[in-house]
Amino acid sequence: GENVEQHPSTLSVQEGDSAVIKCTYSDSASNYFPWYKQELGKGPQLIIDIRSNVGEKKDQRIAVTLNKTAKHFSLHITETQPEDSAVYFCAAKGFGNEKLTFGTGTRLTIIP
Amino acid sequence: ETGVTQTPRHLVMGMTNKKSLKCEQHLGHNAMYWYKQSAKKPLELMFVYSLEERVENNSVPSRFSPECPNSSHLFLHLHTLQPEDSALYLCASSQSSGLNTGELFFGEGSRLTVL
Repeated sequence: GENVEQHPSTLSVQEGDSAVIKCTYSDSASNYFPWYKQELGKGPQLIIDIRSNVGEKKDQRIAVTLNKTAKHFSLHITETQPEDSAVYFCAAKGFGNEKLTFGTGTRLTIIP
Repeated sequence: ETGVTQTPRHLVMGMTNKKSLKCEQHLGHNAMYWYKQSAKKPLELMFVYSLEERVENNSVPSRFSPECPNSSHLFLHLHTLQPEDSALYLCASSQSSGLNTGELFFGEGSRLTVL
């Protein structure tokens, strides 16, 4: 089955700086890679996703890049703000598979 | 109400108790999920219901029993749990179209403590 590894487990950045979270996956058939943000006391919420036919996707201060050859994908947050503090999860899923395999999460702390 | 609602938000139970977690989605989705979230572990898929039919059961112990009476409601019945079952149990829903599962919408979770 799919195995997703996520690094780092914790990350602290100064407000206004950029944050990068990286994930690797094992199943070359995986073609859908979402990122979820979980704030304290809340359930995870989708913030951005990318499919295997695209190398990069941006949404305002958030971007995701995908390297299919190396089987890794990354989340980039620019101009970080205090409200970006949360736990971020990457995930991977193959076509026709109901199961989304999640990484272990990254606790991001933005230092004011 | 909108979104995915879970009750109770917190539950403490003994190992011999029987309790149930409830999930309700108001999004018109056709698939519902139970996930287990433990510290420093990936979100663990327990059960999937698509069009009210169970499509996945990831070798979950029989002390966890799901029920999906209709496309809007999902239950997780708990009995004779172990302390290691203490975790946050998350319900989610999505709109599945054929073989392609859409975005997961999560509830806020039910924090379970087994004494």
